[in-house]
Amino acid sequence: AQSVTQPDIHITVSEGASLELRCNYSYGATPYLFWYVQSPGQGLQLLLKYFSGDTLVQGIKGFEAEFKRSQSSFNLRKPSVHWSDAAEYFCAVVPYGQNFVFGPGTRLSVLP
Amino acid sequence: DAGITQSPRHKVTETGTPVTLRCHQTENHRYMYWYRQDPGHGLRLIHYSYGVKDTDKGEVSDGYSVSRSKTEDFLLTLESATSSQTSVYFCAITTGTPTYEQYFGPGTRLTVT
Repeated sequence: AQSVTQPDIHITVSEGASLELRCNYSYGATPYLFWYVQSPGQGLQLLLKYFSGDTLVQGIKGFEAEFKRSQSSFNLRKPSVHWSDAAEYFCAVVPYGQNFVFGPGTRLSVLP
Repeated sequence: DAGITQSPRHKVTETGTPVTLRCHQTENHRYMYWYRQDPGHGLRLIHYSYGVKDTDKGEVSDGYSVSRSKTEDFLLTLESATSSQTSVYFCAITTGTPTYEQYFGPGTRLTVT
């Protein structure tokens, strides 16, 4: 079945540590790929997106993501996490000719 | 910020009552969406609109209807609210090509008792 998966429901990292959040999709052709962040009580904010070209994309707040076609993945990374990064992160895809499809989300906690 | 507001921001209602949520945008975007957000499910599409009076169903449309009589307003109606419709509802717009980005309103927390 076509889907977007985020294998980690909850991740805890220490402040200053590196972060990688995983996203996998199962669609025949490479869809448009997005990462969003949601702080408590807020709407979703776009972090970055990938349509084509360079497979490493830079976003806001120091985030980056790498598209790997062979793994159908679009993982989000940050070299050094700040306490303000604690939030929920959603991967989203747009298959050709379809609407946005969101993953279930990964909640990030940051230890001081 | 795509100029999206939602009203009300919080609502508590009783089972069986009708409820209408409003989404208003100020930037004349053609595409508008209603999602619900529940723990473990991410965002699920309820209905969407691709223009005035042009709407279509999403994956979880049962029990919901929508209307769009003006470009800037997209209304979501629960004809007879049920406890399973307790959720946080988000409105969104999508910019056109080539940027093709989705922006969200602040959400409406609806509790059905």
